[in-house]
Amino acid sequence: AQRVTQPEKLLSVFKGAPVELKCNYSYSGSPELFWYVQYSRQRLQLLLRHISRESIKGFTADLNKGETSFHLKKPFAQEEDSAMYYCALSENTGFQKLVFGTGTRLLVSP
Amino acid sequence: EAGVTQSPTHLIKTRGQQVTLRCSPISGHTSVYWYQQALGLGLQFLLWYDEGEERNRGNFPPRFSGRQFPNYSSELNVNALELEDSALYLCASSLQNYGYTFGSGTRLTVV
Repeated sequence: AQRVTQPEKLLSVFKGAPVELKCNYSYSGSPELFWYVQYSRQRLQLLLRHISRESIKGFTADLNKGETSFHLKKPFAQEEDSAMYYCALSENTGFQKLVFGTGTRLLVSP
Repeated sequence: EAGVTQSPTHLIKTRGQQVTLRCSPISGHTSVYWYQQALGLGLQFLLWYDEGEERNRGNFPPRFSGRQFPNYSSELNVNALELEDSALYLCASSLQNYGYTFGSGTRLTVV
């Protein structure tokens, strides 16, 4: 069965510091990986997906199949990055459903 | 373009009662997904509907059910409510492989 693990419930950094939100997955096939973000009082929204290989709001994430990881990184954190971040996995066979991790709360202090 | 809309936003029910939650997807989206977000448990997959059919179901008891209408809107029904059903219920819609768009959710409190 698919599983997504986000080992940190809370990550607290200072503004300008690098950020890495960890995500590991277990799935025997070729998954599609996503990062979703939920800012305070806003709905959950897609941040980025691995097949796009893009940078959104300065965040990047690389799929490492050898380590089964999809860590989210940003070189210089901003206060407005404070939010709840969820890693999610979809079987790459027709987009049946997303399996989410339990989320990491990122707190960026001034 | 209107996003995914859910109603009601908040609901308080008594244990044993039944509840119906509603979701309207983004226009043109044919798939609707329901998730339960209970405190400390993250998002747990409930149901997936596409083209009016139930395509997949999460590990929830049969008292959780739903349906999708011809206009692709969807209802989630929960019978015989239990205290642990208290959670935020999220609906999302998608079109093929373009990722989910979530609604704001319905906060259900069972007392």
